[in-house]
Amino acid sequence: QKEVEQNSGPLSVPEGAIASLNCTYSDRGSQSFFWYRQYSGKSPELIMFIYSNGDKEDGRFTAQLNKASQYVSLLIRDSQPSDSATYLCAVNPSGNTGKLIFGQGTTLQVKP
Amino acid sequence: GAGVSQTPSNKVTEKGKYVELRCDPISGHTALYWYRQSLGQGPEFLIYFQGTGAADDSGLPNDRFFAVRPEGSVSTLKIQRTERGDSAVYLCASSQNKADTQYFGPGTRLTVL
Repeated sequence: QKEVEQNSGPLSVPEGAIASLNCTYSDRGSQSFFWYRQYSGKSPELIMFIYSNGDKEDGRFTAQLNKASQYVSLLIRDSQPSDSATYLCAVNPSGNTGKLIFGQGTTLQVKP
Repeated sequence: GAGVSQTPSNKVTEKGKYVELRCDPISGHTALYWYRQSLGQGPEFLIYFQGTGAADDSGLPNDRFFAVRPEGSVSTLKIQRTERGDSAVYLCASSQNKADTQYFGPGTRLTVL
Protein backbone atom coordinates (compact mmCIF):
# COMPACT_ATOMS: atom_id res chain seq x y z
CA GLN A 1 0.00 0.00 0.00
CA LYS A 2 1.34 3.41 -0.96
CA GLU A 3 1.69 5.91 1.86
CA VAL A 4 -0.33 8.57 0.05
CA GLU A 5 -2.77 7.56 -2.65
CA GLN A 6 -4.51 9.62 -5.28
CA ASN A 7 -6.43 8.67 -8.39
CA SER A 8 -4.20 9.70 -11.29
CA GLY A 9 -7.19 10.72 -13.44
CA PRO A 10 -7.60 12.55 -15.64
CA LEU A 11 -10.59 14.13 -13.94
CA SER A 12 -12.53 16.11 -16.50
CA VAL A 13 -15.10 18.75 -15.49
CA PRO A 14 -16.88 21.48 -17.43
CA GLU A 15 -16.05 25.12 -16.79
CA GLY A 16 -17.99 26.45 -13.82
CA ALA A 17 -18.46 23.06 -12.18
CA ILE A 18 -17.08 21.83 -8.85
CA ALA A 19 -13.99 19.65 -9.08
CA SER A 20 -13.45 17.18 -6.23
CA LEU A 21 -9.98 15.75 -5.68
CA ASN A 22 -9.38 13.02 -3.14
CA CYS A 23 -6.43 11.61 -1.23
CA THR A 24 -5.97 8.88 1.37
CA TYR A 25 -2.95 8.30 3.59
CA SER A 26 -1.71 5.36 5.60
CA ASP A 27 0.16 6.97 8.53
CA ARG A 28 -2.47 7.59 11.20
CA GLY A 29 -0.07 9.87 13.10
CA SER A 30 0.28 12.33 10.23
CA GLN A 31 -0.09 15.88 11.41
CA SER A 32 -0.29 18.25 8.47
CA PHE A 33 -1.63 18.03 4.97
CA PHE A 34 -0.95 20.06 1.87
CA TRP A 35 -2.35 20.49 -1.61
CA TYR A 36 0.03 21.62 -4.32
CA ARG A 37 -0.78 22.49 -7.92
CA GLN A 38 1.71 21.65 -10.64
CA TYR A 39 1.44 22.88 -14.19
CA SER A 40 3.16 20.84 -16.86
CA GLY A 41 6.90 21.50 -16.82
CA LYS A 42 6.71 23.64 -13.69
CA SER A 43 7.40 23.06 -10.02
CA PRO A 44 4.70 22.49 -7.39
CA GLU A 45 3.05 25.57 -5.89
CA LEU A 46 1.11 25.53 -2.64
CA ILE A 47 -2.67 25.83 -2.86
CA MET A 48 -3.70 25.09 0.72
CA PHE A 49 -2.67 23.41 3.93
CA ILE A 50 -4.85 21.95 6.67
CA TYR A 51 -4.01 20.65 10.12
CA SER A 52 -7.36 20.11 11.86
CA ASN A 53 -10.37 17.97 11.10
CA GLY A 54 -13.07 19.73 9.14
CA ASP A 55 -13.15 22.22 6.31
CA LYS A 56 -10.87 25.10 5.46
CA GLU A 57 -11.89 27.56 2.78
CA ASP A 58 -9.75 29.97 0.76
CA GLY A 59 -11.50 31.66 -2.12
CA ARG A 60 -12.69 29.03 -4.60
CA PHE A 61 -10.76 26.28 -2.79
CA THR A 62 -11.91 24.18 0.17
CA ALA A 63 -9.74 21.57 1.85
CA GLN A 64 -11.44 18.89 3.91
CA LEU A 65 -9.71 16.64 6.43
CA ASN A 66 -11.04 13.54 8.18
CA LYS A 67 -8.30 12.02 10.32
CA ALA A 68 -10.47 9.12 11.48
CA SER A 69 -10.93 8.02 7.87
CA GLN A 70 -7.40 9.11 6.90
CA TYR A 71 -8.84 11.12 4.06
CA VAL A 72 -8.18 14.60 2.73
CA SER A 73 -9.87 16.27 -0.20
CA LEU A 74 -9.76 19.47 -2.21
CA LEU A 75 -12.83 21.07 -3.74
CA ILE A 76 -12.49 23.68 -6.46
CA ARG A 77 -15.64 25.70 -7.04
CA ASP A 78 -16.42 27.50 -10.30
CA SER A 79 -13.62 25.61 -12.07
CA GLN A 80 -11.77 27.56 -14.74
CA PRO A 81 -9.67 26.29 -17.66
CA SER A 82 -6.67 27.84 -15.90
CA ASP A 83 -7.23 25.31 -13.08
CA SER A 84 -6.22 22.53 -15.46
CA ALA A 85 -3.10 21.06 -13.86
CA THR A 86 -1.91 18.16 -11.71
CA TYR A 87 -2.90 18.41 -8.06
CA LEU A 88 -0.54 16.83 -5.57
CA CYS A 89 -1.58 15.75 -2.11
CA ALA A 90 1.27 15.84 0.42
CA VAL A 91 1.41 14.60 4.00
CA ASN A 92 3.84 15.38 6.78
CA PRO A 93 4.16 11.99 8.49
CA SER A 94 4.63 11.22 12.16
CA GLY A 95 8.14 10.96 13.56
CA ASN A 96 9.11 14.58 14.08
CA THR A 97 10.39 14.99 10.54
CA GLY A 98 9.92 17.85 8.14
CA LYS A 99 9.68 15.72 5.02
CA LEU A 100 6.58 15.51 2.85
CA ILE A 101 5.24 12.31 1.35
CA PHE A 102 3.47 13.02 -1.93
CA GLY A 103 0.81 11.16 -3.81
CA GLN A 104 1.27 10.63 -7.54
CA GLY A 105 -1.08 13.49 -8.32
CA THR A 106 -4.46 13.84 -10.01
CA THR A 107 -4.63 15.49 -13.41
CA LEU A 108 -7.58 17.88 -13.68
CA GLN A 109 -8.92 19.02 -17.03
CA VAL A 110 -11.44 21.87 -17.06
CA LYS A 111 -13.17 22.08 -20.41
CA PRO A 112 -14.52 25.43 -21.67
CA GLY B 1 11.17 38.60 -2.14
CA ALA B 2 13.23 36.13 -4.12
CA GLY B 3 12.08 32.56 -4.17
CA VAL B 4 14.06 29.34 -4.16
CA SER B 5 16.53 29.20 -7.02
CA GLN B 6 18.22 26.17 -8.53
CA THR B 7 21.08 25.83 -10.96
CA PRO B 8 21.52 24.56 -13.56
CA SER B 9 17.99 24.36 -14.94
CA ASN B 10 19.05 21.51 -17.20
CA LYS B 11 21.97 19.13 -16.95
CA VAL B 12 22.85 16.46 -19.49
CA THR B 13 25.62 14.07 -18.56
CA GLU B 14 26.97 10.69 -19.52
CA LYS B 15 26.61 7.52 -17.52
CA GLY B 16 29.35 7.25 -14.92
CA LYS B 17 29.99 10.99 -14.61
CA TYR B 18 29.74 13.11 -11.46
CA VAL B 19 27.21 15.95 -11.17
CA GLU B 20 26.47 18.71 -8.69
CA LEU B 21 23.11 20.43 -8.39
CA ARG B 22 22.79 23.68 -6.47
CA CYS B 23 19.93 25.11 -4.43
CA ASP B 24 19.66 28.62 -3.01
CA PRO B 25 16.76 28.75 -0.51
CA ILE B 26 14.57 31.67 0.47
CA SER B 27 16.54 33.99 2.74
CA GLY B 28 16.01 33.18 6.40
CA HIS B 29 14.60 29.71 5.82
CA THR B 30 16.33 27.27 8.13
CA ALA B 31 14.90 24.08 6.61
CA LEU B 32 15.89 22.85 3.16
CA TYR B 33 14.66 19.77 1.34
CA TRP B 34 15.65 17.85 -1.77
CA TYR B 35 13.11 15.80 -3.73
CA ARG B 36 13.28 13.88 -6.98
CA GLN B 37 10.37 13.71 -9.41
CA SER B 38 10.06 11.21 -12.23
CA LEU B 39 7.57 11.63 -15.06
CA GLY B 40 4.00 10.99 -13.94
CA GLN B 41 4.92 10.67 -10.28
CA GLY B 42 4.79 12.94 -7.27
CA PRO B 43 8.01 14.28 -5.77
CA GLU B 44 9.98 11.70 -3.79
CA PHE B 45 11.78 12.86 -0.64
CA LEU B 46 15.57 12.58 -0.62
CA ILE B 47 17.04 14.58 2.27
CA TYR B 48 16.17 17.35 4.71
CA PHE B 49 18.52 19.87 6.33
CA GLN B 50 17.83 21.84 9.46
CA GLY B 51 20.54 24.48 9.44
CA THR B 52 23.83 22.91 8.41
CA GLY B 53 23.03 19.36 9.45
CA ALA B 54 21.21 16.63 7.57
CA ALA B 55 18.30 15.94 9.92
CA ASP B 56 16.81 13.18 7.76
CA ASP B 57 18.62 11.50 4.85
CA SER B 58 16.40 8.44 4.75
CA GLY B 59 15.33 9.11 1.17
CA LEU B 60 18.77 9.00 -0.43
CA PRO B 61 18.60 5.92 -2.67
CA ASN B 62 22.21 4.77 -2.20
CA ASP B 63 25.69 5.99 -1.33
CA ARG B 64 26.20 7.58 -4.75
CA PHE B 65 24.01 10.43 -3.53
CA PHE B 66 25.29 12.99 -1.07
CA ALA B 67 24.25 16.50 -0.10
CA VAL B 68 25.81 19.31 1.89
CA ARG B 69 24.76 22.65 3.31
CA PRO B 70 27.98 23.92 4.91
CA GLU B 71 26.85 27.41 5.93
CA GLY B 72 23.18 26.72 6.50
CA SER B 73 22.07 28.45 3.32
CA VAL B 74 23.03 27.13 -0.13
CA SER B 75 22.92 23.37 -0.58
CA THR B 76 24.57 21.13 -3.14
CA LEU B 77 23.28 17.70 -4.12
CA LYS B 78 26.10 15.52 -5.43
CA ILE B 79 25.63 12.39 -7.49
CA GLN B 80 28.59 10.12 -8.24
CA ARG B 81 28.83 7.55 -11.03
CA THR B 82 25.51 8.62 -12.52
CA GLU B 83 23.19 5.98 -13.94
CA ARG B 84 20.43 6.32 -16.52
CA GLY B 85 17.91 5.67 -13.76
CA ASP B 86 19.01 8.89 -12.04
CA SER B 87 17.35 10.90 -14.82
CA ALA B 88 14.59 12.99 -13.23
CA VAL B 89 13.74 16.49 -12.12
CA TYR B 90 15.50 17.32 -8.87
CA LEU B 91 13.47 19.75 -6.79
CA CYS B 92 14.66 21.81 -3.87
CA ALA B 93 12.30 23.35 -1.33
CA SER B 94 12.75 25.49 1.74
CA SER B 95 10.62 26.40 4.73
CA GLN B 96 10.98 28.80 7.62
CA ASN B 97 11.09 25.95 10.09
CA LYS B 98 10.54 22.20 10.09
CA ALA B 99 6.97 21.24 9.10
CA ASP B 100 6.13 24.77 7.91
CA THR B 101 4.94 25.30 4.37
CA GLN B 102 7.56 24.27 1.83
CA TYR B 103 8.23 26.47 -1.20
CA PHE B 104 9.71 24.81 -4.23
CA GLY B 105 12.34 25.97 -6.66
CA PRO B 106 12.02 25.54 -10.44
CA GLY B 107 13.97 22.28 -10.40
CA THR B 108 16.95 20.89 -12.27
CA ARG B 109 16.18 18.44 -15.05
CA LEU B 110 18.93 15.83 -15.04
CA THR B 111 19.35 13.59 -18.07
CA VAL B 112 21.87 10.78 -17.95
CA LEU B 113 22.70 9.39 -21.39
